[in-house]
Amino acid sequence: GAGVSQSPSNKVTEKGKDVELRCDPISGHTALYWYRQSLGQGLEFLIYFQGNSAPDKSGLPSDRFSAERTGGSVSTLTIQRTQQEDSAVYLCASSISRDQETQYFGPGTRLLVL
Amino acid sequence: SQQGEEDPQALSIQEGENATMNCSYKTSINNLQWYRQNSGRGLVHLILIRSNEREKHSGRLRVTLDTSKKSSSLLITASRAADTASYFCATDTGANSKLTFGKGITLSVRP
Repeated sequence: GAGVSQSPSNKVTEKGKDVELRCDPISGHTALYWYRQSLGQGLEFLIYFQGNSAPDKSGLPSDRFSAERTGGSVSTLTIQRTQQEDSAVYLCASSISRDQETQYFGPGTRLLVL
Repeated sequence: SQQGEEDPQALSIQEGENATMNCSYKTSINNLQWYRQNSGRGLVHLILIRSNEREKHSGRLRVTLDTSKKSSSLLITASRAADTASYFCATDTGANSKLTFGKGITLSVRP
């Protein structure tokens, strides 16, 4: 009965490297969201997956950011050629369906780009 | 731009006192939600109030919604040290159930 899990918990990388962040949603949840939270800020929406529908990518800040969701379950957020301003906590959330408004959040991945 | 904006930005109270946090938003909503975040990690859903509701209770939490003023308040009664956290309001406009979060309120409850 695990909640949303994310890995790694922390990631330190050098500027210019690519990183992959993983999210395992709650089993059976069809909706999956990625958010970014910079220090002392609110959550910034990045991307949303709902079932087999095309994802809503409207929040992705640049073409260096992409995300996949394989088999309607696990999702990977990839950041290419990381920049220092990408440093933030990346949070994943899932909900039962699009119409189920409550979102359940994972613990986040804290990314630091040196 | 932020849809939800909370105030105050920071609140410090004594254990046992009530804490009131406010949120204002700009556009029409389907519902408004309050979340809590400890230590900059994952958020925990506290309570959801729909646009046709005016008040809702859950344990020591009381949420009000005034759609004419586009504002909501979260009241935590008889606060405890364990209530120390950041609190966020989030609005759901119905567009893909995408939540828009405010910057949060830092609540400190002194033992």
